[in-house]
Amino acid sequence: NAGVTQTPKFRILKIGQSMTLQCTQDMNHNYMYWYRQDPGMGLKLIYYSVGAGITDKGEVPNGYNVSRSTTEDFPLRLELAAPSQTSVYFCASSDRSGEQAFFGQGTRLTVV
Amino acid sequence: GQQVMQIPQYQHVQEGEDFTTYCNSSTTLSNIQWYKQRPGGHPVFLIQLVKSGEVKKQKRLTFQFGEAKKNSSLHITATQTTDVGTYFCAGPTMAGGGADGLTFGKGTHLIIQP
Repeated sequence: NAGVTQTPKFRILKIGQSMTLQCTQDMNHNYMYWYRQDPGMGLKLIYYSVGAGITDKGEVPNGYNVSRSTTEDFPLRLELAAPSQTSVYFCASSDRSGEQAFFGQGTRLTVV
Repeated sequence: GQQVMQIPQYQHVQEGEDFTTYCNSSTTLSNIQWYKQRPGGHPVFLIQLVKSGEVKKQKRLTFQFGEAKKNSSLHITATQTTDVGTYFCAGPTMAGGGADGLTFGKGTHLIIQP
């Protein structure tokens, strides 16, 4: 079982560029999440989804967009990258909301 | 909004010493979870506690959930170098009629000196 897979693992973006962080899970989980983790800090929720076609904002959604066309995939789109978006991004999924989350390996993004 | 606080932020111990991290929530939790993140890695689920006053053990790790279901602790006995990492507690983020993901504490970074 692959679990939660994120690509790419590392990326450097220039200010104003856009990119999509990919996330896919093979556990048939309805719930999927995007978190960002800044150095020495906890994880902050960007967006989440409770099933295909349903997404909602988390704590820090500004500058990001998501879509959920299938149960497996939950891409995160960054439009007009800014230095404040330099962070490590984790995608996660769970069988039930508010219970055990399975995390991907993370994407380390630097905006310069 | 809902907050989960952890102390200490950093803990240096000598190998073989014990370690404890504490977690406090601003709201009553239906469950509390603990995750471990190795340096450069991703959070990995350790355990979930559900009942008031619950205590669970995993080898050298002991987890407790407070009677009021607002606080929790993780205790590691006789730390080893493999215990290095950041330990996070997390509780369900309550919104409307249900949970929307997890609210994480900022974590306790465990540094072990051989």
